[in-house]
Amino acid sequence: IAGITQAPTSQILAAGRRMTLRCTQDMRHNAMYWYRQDLGLGLRLIHYSNTAGTTGKGEVPDGYSVSRANTDDFPLTLASAVPSQTSVYFCASRADGNNSPLHFGNGTRLTVT
Amino acid sequence: AQSVSQHNHHVILSEAASLELGCNYSYGGTVNLFWYVQYPGQHLQLLLKYFSGDPLVKGIKGFEAEFIKSKFSFNLRKPSVQWSDTAEYFCAVRTSGTYKYIFGTGTRLKVLA
Repeated sequence: IAGITQAPTSQILAAGRRMTLRCTQDMRHNAMYWYRQDLGLGLRLIHYSNTAGTTGKGEVPDGYSVSRANTDDFPLTLASAVPSQTSVYFCASRADGNNSPLHFGNGTRLTVT
Repeated sequence: AQSVSQHNHHVILSEAASLELGCNYSYGGTVNLFWYVQYPGQHLQLLLKYFSGDPLVKGIKGFEAEFIKSKFSFNLRKPSVQWSDTAEYFCAVRTSGTYKYIFGTGTRLKVLA
């Protein structure tokens, strides 16, 4: 079934540890995104990628990095996790064309202690 | 910077009541507009979208939204809600020519059976 796969589903992480959230899509979408969802704040864009080999910063990029080595994968790395990064993280992708909406993965619930 | 405002943070309705959720955005140019729904424990799913043409758009599950350019609004409506509509609803805007989608903070709808 075509879609976006995120892993892990949930994770508890000690502060200061490094963590990579994985995102893979099989729809051959060029554009991919990482959002964090926090109560009362909605979804905020962390980083995005228009196409393989390029990335850009969103609204809240500090403390996060991404890479886009190929079309399918768009991992999000927390180099040294802090408690304020406790959140639900959603990966999304979009087909080319102005009329294309975002497609979302099932999310990763991350707790930093 | 562009922003999206959803003024109703929590809404409680009885079944069969009518629903209207407000969404206003701040951008004077061409926009693409979306409503997404997130059922408890699930990822965001597209309800409907507006790109051009008829300002009244119909989506899935009996939802519709009206784009009023002069008011910078894209309110979501449903004539008669059901218990299964209990979810969080997000309005999103993409300004033409960009890859960024800006989301509102969401409205939590609870429908009482």
